[in-house]
Amino acid sequence: DTGVSQDPRHKITKRGQNVTFRCDPISEHNRLYWYRQTLGQGPEFLTYFQNEAQLEKSRLLSDRFSAERPKGSFSTLEIQRTEQGDSAMYLCASSLGSTPLANTEAFFGQGTRLTVV
Amino acid sequence: GNSVTQMEGPVTLSEEAFLTINCTYTATGYPSLFWYVQYPGEGLQLLLKATKADDKGSNKGFEATYRKETTSFHLEKGSVQVSDSAVYFCALREAGTALIFGKGTTLSVSS
Repeated sequence: DTGVSQDPRHKITKRGQNVTFRCDPISEHNRLYWYRQTLGQGPEFLTYFQNEAQLEKSRLLSDRFSAERPKGSFSTLEIQRTEQGDSAMYLCASSLGSTPLANTEAFFGQGTRLTVV
Repeated sequence: GNSVTQMEGPVTLSEEAFLTINCTYTATGYPSLFWYVQYPGEGLQLLLKATKADDKGSNKGFEATYRKETTSFHLEKGSVQVSDSAVYFCALREAGTALIFGKGTTLSVSS
């Protein structure tokens, strides 16, 4: 396994369109995270899955955003009715945690850069 | 809420200079602390971590010590190389929660 994989790497879309990103975590990792990073800022937490359960969502995750991890493996992040403010790098990370409180290293993908025009 | 503050960049150094990037944090509990690095065109990579007070994390010549009394986790390297040019992020995580990052500090090292 070569690490966390994200697809596509780049996406340009017109305002108002829907977009979907995919993340394939490291195969044995049961935790998966989505972050958003804008220019000059650190990554901001969006949401987190433990297996297929979505355990936490940030206030940043408006109702236009939805994330799924249907079989506890890959995850998708969909943004509906995109706005120019959605332009950012969307990062996925995964980790292995035997319990919800276990504090283990998160491995990041290279991200999907979204540009809304 | 929890937060991380790190020094503004960019930091510009000559090769073999000493590096310090300051990081302070605010947390309600007892977080683990991390430094991540992002090289140009690559994803975030864990550089080092410390899980409790007075722990020292180290990797690739970089070090940081978890100081609970000053709520700090400053990154240091005795002699930087051109290949260390990257963006460095300080982060914290409390048990069961996601990572919270600082804004990042860009380091540029010239030969």
